[in-house]
Order: sequence, then structure tokens, then C-alpha cells
Amino acid sequence: KAGVTQTPRYLIKTRGQQVTLSCSPISGHRSVSWYQQTPGQGLQFLFEYFSETQRNKGNFPGRFSGRQFSNSRSEMNVSTLELGDSALYLCASAPGQPYEQYFGPGTRLTVT
Amino acid sequence: DQQVKQNSPSLSVQEGRISILNCDYTNSMFDYFLWYKKYPAEGPTFLISISSIKDKNEDGRFTVFLNKSAKHLSLHIVPSQPGDSAVYFCAASETGTYKYIFGTGTRLKVLA
Repeated sequence: KAGVTQTPRYLIKTRGQQVTLSCSPISGHRSVSWYQQTPGQGLQFLFEYFSETQRNKGNFPGRFSGRQFSNSRSEMNVSTLELGDSALYLCASAPGQPYEQYFGPGTRLTVT
Repeated sequence: DQQVKQNSPSLSVQEGRISILNCDYTNSMFDYFLWYKKYPAEGPTFLISISSIKDKNEDGRFTVFLNKSAKHLSLHIVPSQPGDSAVYFCAASETGTYKYIFGTGTRLKVLA
């Protein structure tokens, strides 16, 4: 079974721009979560989607948004990028909860 | 408010010995706990999980112990191998919240 895939793997953007990251979950997994990882902060929960519905959201500003499509693929969008948004963005999929999540390799976003 | 804490940022262990990684949590509603391993430039890899109805779960060289009264869990790796050198994250979830809270990680170095 193919794992979680994320595109692109690396991205460099300028302050003020917006960015869209994509995640394809493991086949059959309907839950997709997004996390931000920065040095010393661990993985910070952004949001979780299941069957196209956002079921929970972390403590991030409204500039961070996401969506899930009917095939369970998910995208997250960050508008008006700030330098502090530079991070590794990880997507994880699961059959539901409580089950272990399986992570993709992440998208490394650098904001200059 | 850091609900899941890994107070040791790093740990060094000799090959063949036991590695013990610790994790504390504050939310008594957490009922599912997981450990992940992460190598640089890769997403976290699921290792082992435990439900709050158990106090121990084993999988090969990995054993997780849960002490609910102390709100503490630990991961034992026996015997430790150089390939175990990575960052280890513990995570916790409350069923129905669709959200996993991660600790900040412990960097394990297994010395050959």
C-alpha cells in the first residue's frame, strides 16, 4: 500500500505571498491531519479533516486554512506568509480515531 | 499550555543497553497514547501505542508503560541499536476530539 505523499517537498516563498500544500493519504484512510513542526516546538496541530469536514482546529491564526476533497486528498493554505511560518509541514492520515496516524515526508517551507 | 511534556531533550545510551524515554501529560481525559520515531528529513514513523485501559504494551524490542495515576508513560527499547538513534515523540489523544497532542521530542543517540 502506498504511503502518505506530500507535494511539494520544498518550497521557498516571500513574505506576503500565499502557499498551498497538498497531501494524499493512504488509500482507505478518511482522516487527514496537518501539523507544523518548528525547532524546539515539536509538532503543533493545525487541523483535522474527515469525509470533507473539519472536526478540530488548533490554535493558529485564520491565515491557515485547509480543505479535504471527496477522495480524501487534502490541501492546506497559508495566506499572507510571515517569516515565522517557515517550518516543516506534516500531513498524517488514519482510518479514524483512535488509531495511529501515518505521516508523510513533509513539506519544508522557507519564507524569506 | 504544554499538555504533553518530554522533559529530556536528549539521551545517550550504549549499544545493547536499555533506552528509557519518558513522557508526562496533564490532561486526565487522554485515553490513547502513541510513540513515534523521526529521522531527519523524514516524517515521523509510528512505533507503538497504548490504550488507557492497559498499563503495558509490547512489540518486539519496544515496550510502552502507562501509569495513569502519575500521568506518565515511558518507552523502553531493549536492546538498543545504533539504528535507533533518532528523535522520539510521544503523543496523546482524547477520543472524540480528533486531535493528537505531541511532546517536543527526545533525541536518542545509541553509541556503538
